[in-house]
Amino acid sequence: GENVEQHPSTLSVQEGDSAVIKCTYSDSASNYFPWYKQELGKGPQLIIDIRSNVGEKKDQRIAVTLNKTAKHFSLHITETQPEDSAVYFCAASHTGNQFYFGTGTSLTVIP
Amino acid sequence: DTAVSQTPKYLVTQMGNDKSIKCEQNLGHDTMYWYKQDSKKFLKIMFSYNNKELIINETVPNRFSPKSPDKAHLNLHINSLELGDSAVYFCASSQDPGGSTQYFGPGTRLTVL
Repeated sequence: GENVEQHPSTLSVQEGDSAVIKCTYSDSASNYFPWYKQELGKGPQLIIDIRSNVGEKKDQRIAVTLNKTAKHFSLHITETQPEDSAVYFCAASHTGNQFYFGTGTSLTVIP
Repeated sequence: DTAVSQTPKYLVTQMGNDKSIKCEQNLGHDTMYWYKQDSKKFLKIMFSYNNKELIINETVPNRFSPKSPDKAHLNLHINSLELGDSAVYFCASSQDPGGSTQYFGPGTRLTVL
């Protein structure tokens, strides 16, 4: 089955700096890669996703890059704000299969 | 309108009891899931239903039994609760298995004393 690894497990940045979270996957059939943000006491919420036919996707301060050859994808948050503090999960899946989640990254943005 | 809702939000019970968690989605999705999140925040899939049919059944004790009365509902019944069952349980839904966005409910925090 698929194996998704996520690093780092914790990340602290100063407000205004950038944050990068990296994930690797093992199944070359995976073609859908969402990123979820989980705030304290809430369920995970999708913040951005990318499909295997695209190398990069951006939505305001958030961007995701995908390297299919190396089987890794990354989340980039620029100009971080205190409200970006949360746990972030990457995931990988392909149509008809289940989602495989990374182990999560706890991001703290220091004002 | 809440897309995926779960009840109850908190559940405190004694070891050995039987309890149920209910989940409903109003997104018209065909696929629903149950996840368990432990204290280390790991999200572990337990079950998945597509069009009321069980399609994923991970290595979960048979004390856990999902039931899908219709496509909009997926309930989780747990028999003979154990201390190790304490966790947050999330319900989620998606249009189809694997290839589309999952929408998560707010979670049910289960505490077994």
